[in-house]
Amino acid sequence: GQQLNQSPQSMFIQEGEDVSMNCTSSSIFNTWLWYKQDPGEGPVLLIALYKAGELTSNGRLTAQFGITRKDSFLNISASIPSDVGIYFCAGLLLNTGNQFYFGTGTSLTVIP
Amino acid sequence: DVKVTQSSRYLVKRTGEKVFLECVQDMDHENMFWYRQDPGLGLRLIYFSYDVKMKEKGDIPEGYSVSREKKERFSLILESASTNQTSMYLCASSFLGVGNQPQHFGDGTRLSIL
Repeated sequence: GQQLNQSPQSMFIQEGEDVSMNCTSSSIFNTWLWYKQDPGEGPVLLIALYKAGELTSNGRLTAQFGITRKDSFLNISASIPSDVGIYFCAGLLLNTGNQFYFGTGTSLTVIP
Repeated sequence: DVKVTQSSRYLVKRTGEKVFLECVQDMDHENMFWYRQDPGLGLRLIYFSYDVKMKEKGDIPEGYSVSREKKERFSLILESASTNQTSMYLCASSFLGVGNQPQHFGDGTRLSIL
């Protein structure tokens, strides 16, 4: 199956810093999703992107659908301790029977 | 508040046993999904269902089956459990209108096969 490459694998940042992570593939996607998973819980959908070049915000989070349709980016501004968790991207691959493929995750640690 | 409930948080079974993982949603969603989550591999789709008694194979259906007799309930069955099925299992649901986009996840069942 398809695998999306997420980077970085893990991040350790100071509270207040901005965070950037991305998801890339060699294939073309027509929808991108970003999720956050807290320890011991299921993923929560943060942002959905449906068009190439689209930029969407959800509070301090901003995500972009890459122009090439092969990547997506998530930025978190002014990080706070509750941003800790694992962030996953997921993409809908064209002509795959409408299945979403998930990235391997970026683990974020925020140091107060 | 929307809710996807998985019947067990932790489960320990033996090799060769038949294992049932249950998932219930209270949002009247048409779509329901079963994923497994393994370190370094992200989430991988096992099966999904878009209606009662309907099912579609995902990326890794081998060794699993599913049952959807009622709209709110989606069961994952391990016919004969093996150690390589030790994993975290996540159930999700969504409205038909958003396509096959898993919107709401349960908190997962951590299954260990001994």
